[in-house]
Amino acid sequence: GQQLNQSPQSMFIQEGEDVSMNCTSSSIFNTWLWYKQDPGEGPVLLIALYKAGELTSNGRLTAQFGITRKDSFLNISASIPSDVGIYFCAGRTVYGGSQGNLIFGKGTKLSVKP
Amino acid sequence: ETGVTQTPRHLVMGMTNKKSLKCEQHLGHNAMYWYKQSAKKPLELMFVYSLEERVENNSVPSRFSPECPNSSHLFLHLHTLQPEDSALYLCASSPGTGDYEQYFGPGTRLTVT
Repeated sequence: GQQLNQSPQSMFIQEGEDVSMNCTSSSIFNTWLWYKQDPGEGPVLLIALYKAGELTSNGRLTAQFGITRKDSFLNISASIPSDVGIYFCAGRTVYGGSQGNLIFGKGTKLSVKP
Repeated sequence: ETGVTQTPRHLVMGMTNKKSLKCEQHLGHNAMYWYKQSAKKPLELMFVYSLEERVENNSVPSRFSPECPNSSHLFLHLHTLQPEDSALYLCASSPGTGDYEQYFGPGTRLTVT
């Protein structure tokens, strides 16, 4: 089946640092969504992207829909402790899947640098 | 109440028990979903409902039985589960099943003993 490769799997952040993560696929996507999940909670939608090349910000978060339509990037600027959690990308392929189902990456876990 | 709510938040059940998970959305959406989240695996879509009709069943074992009495409520009935069914079960909703964003509930952490 279709897969999303999300990287890195985990990373440590120090307050004030910028953070980048990405998702790639061998399929062309027409939608990219980025979610954040805190422990014991469900994923919360951060940013939605619908056009190739689109760059969208939500506070300190910026996400881009790759020009090839096969990837997406999420950047967090000037990280703060509450940014820790697991970030998921999700995409919907051009060919829809059944009912245009979302496909999820495995997540990038952000932790505080010890 | 806002967004998507799920009850219970935690559930421990034996393999011979029958229990139900409940989801309610207060967003006026027409589509609702059940996902399973296991450690180190991507979210797995289980069921999709659109306007109370099931439109997707992703080869889920029959020990999981969904029910959608109206567009605001979704249930997942559980019976004779296995320990490997222990996971976080997430409900989500969206305006429709097309190109829409999905909004998730907080999940039910299920442990099967």
